[in-house]
Amino acid sequence: GAGVSQSPRYKVAKRGQDVALRCDPISGHVSLFWYQQALGQGPEFLTYFQNEAQLDKSGLPSDRFFAERPEGSVSTLKIQRTQQEDSAVYLCASSLAGTGGYTFGSGTRLTVV
Amino acid sequence: GNSVTQMEGPVTLSEEAFLTINCTYTATGYPSLFWYVQYPGEGLQLLLKATKADDKGSNKGFEATYRKETTSFHLEKGSVQVSDSAVYFCALSESDYKLSFGAGTTVTVRA
Repeated sequence: GAGVSQSPRYKVAKRGQDVALRCDPISGHVSLFWYQQALGQGPEFLTYFQNEAQLDKSGLPSDRFFAERPEGSVSTLKIQRTQQEDSAVYLCASSLAGTGGYTFGSGTRLTVV
Repeated sequence: GNSVTQMEGPVTLSEEAFLTINCTYTATGYPSLFWYVQYPGEGLQLLLKATKADDKGSNKGFEATYRKETTSFHLEKGSVQVSDSAVYFCALSESDYKLSFGAGTTVTVRA
């Protein structure tokens, strides 16, 4: 597609529920990134894929967070046993190669109640 | 570690006013520097970038110069429009992929 597509746009989860957030990058983009943006803050890096390989997951805040990109295109960020502190906007971005020239999606706003 | 500090908002201006948003950074090496913009209801967009000292990035009337001696990358526009109302993020990258963002500055331009 023309841009990075994320779904759902909004997700409300009860504490303890598992959630899955989807990202469709721009076709042909090799690199894919996930960021977490808390209210009033800048995005924080979570993880990075090059094709299907997860090259950096140092930003994932706990082992409840898991990301995958099995065929090198669509990616899913999964959060198990959600907690209130997980409430944030989750941003996906893709690029042909690194260097910060990413295209960001509009994000998924997760609210844990 | 790497960090970015940018001017706190919100900033409210009248149309045609001059805009400056200050950004300073801390990095261990020689990072690339970026300004991203987020318009209401939209995703982050790259506004401009500079990859080495004294480089000037520019786009849509916005400019920022990479100042190594002051570790700064201030964003400026000479005459803002209502359509420039957005949240502006300063960011740096020392790797090929990982961006470190500032907290963002909300700018509102009134007609």
